[in-house]
Amino acid sequence: DMKVTQMPRYLIKRMGENVLLECGQDMSHETMYWYRQDPGLGLQLIYISYDVDSNSEGDIPKGYRVSRKKREHFSLILDSAKTNQTSVYFCASSLGDRSAETLYFGSGTRLTVL
Amino acid sequence: GDKVKQSPSALSLQEGTNSALRCNFSIAATTVQWFLQNPRGSLINLFYLVPGTKENGRLKSTFNSKESYSTLHIRDAQLEDSGTYFCAAEAYNNNAPRFGAGTKLTVKP
Repeated sequence: DMKVTQMPRYLIKRMGENVLLECGQDMSHETMYWYRQDPGLGLQLIYISYDVDSNSEGDIPKGYRVSRKKREHFSLILDSAKTNQTSVYFCASSLGDRSAETLYFGSGTRLTVL
Repeated sequence: GDKVKQSPSALSLQEGTNSALRCNFSIAATTVQWFLQNPRGSLINLFYLVPGTKENGRLKSTFNSKESYSTLHIRDAQLEDSGTYFCAAEAYNNNAPRFGAGTKLTVKP
């Protein structure tokens, strides 16, 4: 079963709290991504991971960090969340090594920071 | 800046009609992907393209790398085609696909 799973689906946090968003995939894909989606802006790339402990900043990495200790898991961490990090966060994976092929997306996590 | 520009931003169609969505790129795109985000928020991959054309049912997509654009044609639009369509392009010097802002399509009976 080819799947990208994101947890949790909805999350409410207070400003200054730490946030952990988790993503898993069962396709042994090397490359994984975190995007955020805001109205009118499409999806913006936060981080990309080429494999375990091989991560690279995307276009909007400030305020985020990532962790990939196993190929099938890619976590997004917000240390001291801010209200402008309220967004829908999507994780994706693709087969290719440093070259995106078809992206497979999770269902997203809707994060609200109060 | 806007590496990937989609047009129109919104579109309303009568059921059974045809239309085309467009993406223009300011990067030297090598591959293009088209996605549909359904009303539940799920992103469904429609096409992955190198330069050329692909067809799947009532959908057809073309990617012209020399002129830096891609189109998605919808034939005989159905109610279930409603949602937001995104294109995403990757270039040689990019590390991941970059997305446009989307076209919100509403198909009316």
